[in-house]
Amino acid sequence: KAGVTQTPRYLIKTRGQQVTLSCSPISGHRSVSWYQQTPGQGLQFLFEYFSETQRNKGNFPGRFSGRQFSNSRSEMNVSTLELGDSALYLCASSLGAVPTDTQYFGPGTRLTVL
Amino acid sequence: AQTVTQSQPEMSVQEAETVTLSCTYDTSENNYYLFWYKQPPSRQMILVIRQEAYKQQNATENRFSVNFQKAAKSFSLKISDSQLGDTAMYFCAFDQGGSEKLVFGKGTKLTVNP
Repeated sequence: KAGVTQTPRYLIKTRGQQVTLSCSPISGHRSVSWYQQTPGQGLQFLFEYFSETQRNKGNFPGRFSGRQFSNSRSEMNVSTLELGDSALYLCASSLGAVPTDTQYFGPGTRLTVL
Repeated sequence: AQTVTQSQPEMSVQEAETVTLSCTYDTSENNYYLFWYKQPPSRQMILVIRQEAYKQQNATENRFSVNFQKAAKSFSLKISDSQLGDTAMYFCAFDQGGSEKLVFGKGTKLTVNP
């Protein structure tokens, strides 16, 4: 079974621009979560989508948003990029049947904001 | 908010030896799950082992085992017969099914020396 895939793998943007990252979960998984990984803050939860609905949200500003499609694929959008948004963005999928289902991670998208 | 603490930023071990990585967490909940994830230099986050808090028996996965001390809120990972491929960042994570999803520690960088 194919793992979680994320596209693109690397992205360079400038301040003020917006960016969209994509995540395809493992087949059959209905929950997709997003995490931001930085050297200073470590791994922080952004949000979780389950059956096209946002089920949980972390403590991030409204510039960070996401959505999930009927095929469980998810996109994450960051508007008005800031230098501090430079990070590795990880997507994780799980069955989602119970909130504590094990999450499986994709390879991440490395975003650099100049 | 739940917190996860990994007190060892870096560790090293000789190939074939045993190493233990420490993790403590803080929660007032009784039902939760604990995880160890491994992130090699390639950046793909991989699940190493999972422990349900209601299970008294410590989880094991081949060379990986945990020492789960619920009263002490401690969850250490033991790697036996260390291999060069075990070189990676190891993250301890906590999930109680709440709004924060996975809460991660800052990680321990493990280097296995030949």
